[in-house]
Formats: sequence, C-alpha cells, structure tokens
Amino acid sequence: QKEVEQDPGPLSVPEGAIVSLNCTYSNSAFQYFMWYRQYSRKGPELLMYTYSSGNKEDGRFTAQVDKSSKYISLFIRDSQPSDSATYLCAMTYNQGGKLIFGQGTELSVKP
Amino acid sequence: DADVTQTPRNRITKTGKRIMLECSQTKGHDRMYWYRQDPGLGLRLIYYSFDVKDINKGEISDGYSVSRQAQAKFSLSLESAIPNQTALYFCATSDRRDGYEQYFGPGTRLTVT
Repeated sequence: QKEVEQDPGPLSVPEGAIVSLNCTYSNSAFQYFMWYRQYSRKGPELLMYTYSSGNKEDGRFTAQVDKSSKYISLFIRDSQPSDSATYLCAMTYNQGGKLIFGQGTELSVKP
Repeated sequence: DADVTQTPRNRITKTGKRIMLECSQTKGHDRMYWYRQDPGLGLRLIYYSFDVKDINKGEISDGYSVSRQAQAKFSLSLESAIPNQTALYFCATSDRRDGYEQYFGPGTRLTVT
C-alpha cells in the first residue's frame, strides 16, 4: 500500500462547478500537507500548503486537512477552464523534509 | 530566464546506453532533487542532495546515479538504460527552511528503445 493515495481520475466538470480533490494517507507523522498543480508539459508548482489540521483559503481554492481521518482535500469554487491541470497532493514530516506525492488527479474544466 | 533548467528536454536512446540528464538552478537553494513521473504513479523520488557533500537515495534509486558538481548543478545518470526507465524526469530545488515548497524544472522526456 502506498503511503499516499490519490484518485487519478480523470475528472471532467463543467465551468462554474465546485471541484473536490482528495488524498488519504497512512502515516500519522505527516505534518505538512501540500497541493501542487501541474499544467500539461510543465513542472509542478506549489498551489497551497497547510500545517497540521484545519482549513486554508486562497481565493477560489480551499485546502482542508483532517488528521484524525488521515484525509486531505482541495476544493475549487467556480472552476474555470484555466484550472484544467493535474493536481498532486504531497506531504512531509517536517518543514525541510522530502516530500511524498500522491499519484495526481487530472482535472478538465469544460467551457 | 527560468530558475530551474533541465537539459536535454527530450531524449531517445537505446537499451544499454549511458545517458546523463543535467539540472541547473539560479535560485541559490541548497537542496536539489530528482524525480521520475509515470502515468498513474505520480512523482517518485530518485535521489536528493541537501548540500554539495550530501547525497541520499530516494524511493527508486536502483539503476541511477547522481553527481552534485556545485550548489547550482545536479546531474542524473542512467549507467545502462533499460526500457522501463522510459519516463518524464524532473529536477527540483528547495530552500533548507521551506523544503515543502519545491521549484521544479520543465522536465526531460526520456524514451529508451
């Protein structure tokens, strides 16, 4: 079993929809939780990060961490075609540690 | 100019050949990483280096070697390429304090025939 599990999709939604992307993990020692976004033919870029449990909001994006359930989510409100990309969750034990990535979910937002 | 560059961007090689992928960065970061990306498997860490004299194996280091020539340069070698090393390879860098924020290069698409 992988340490971090993510549904690879693909996920296709109409423009304006609310998107929910999720990851589960097995190691309770993880403290930092990240979402990276990867456009086609590009390297991943950090979208959001959260320390420990709780929510974090940035514009149309909200990241949630539930450590008791070992479950993290990324919500995208009012999704746009420009949000079409692969979203990868990642986690680590400490601020300077190496990252463990999920498999990535491919999202397509149709106009 | 890009902060993290990779050369070559695309490479086709034959089984048994030695190949080197190169990475350079201008961000001044101490830490550098090599990943491979395969469909359905996400990003998997091959090797990482926290400074010039520090090299560590990642999740899938067999069949690969690395060299950290300078703070800004980190190379990945496939000593004898095999077809299942066909993948997209990414170099990344991070600051020692904020290691969760990694900056990725544009990737090298490697095909081994």
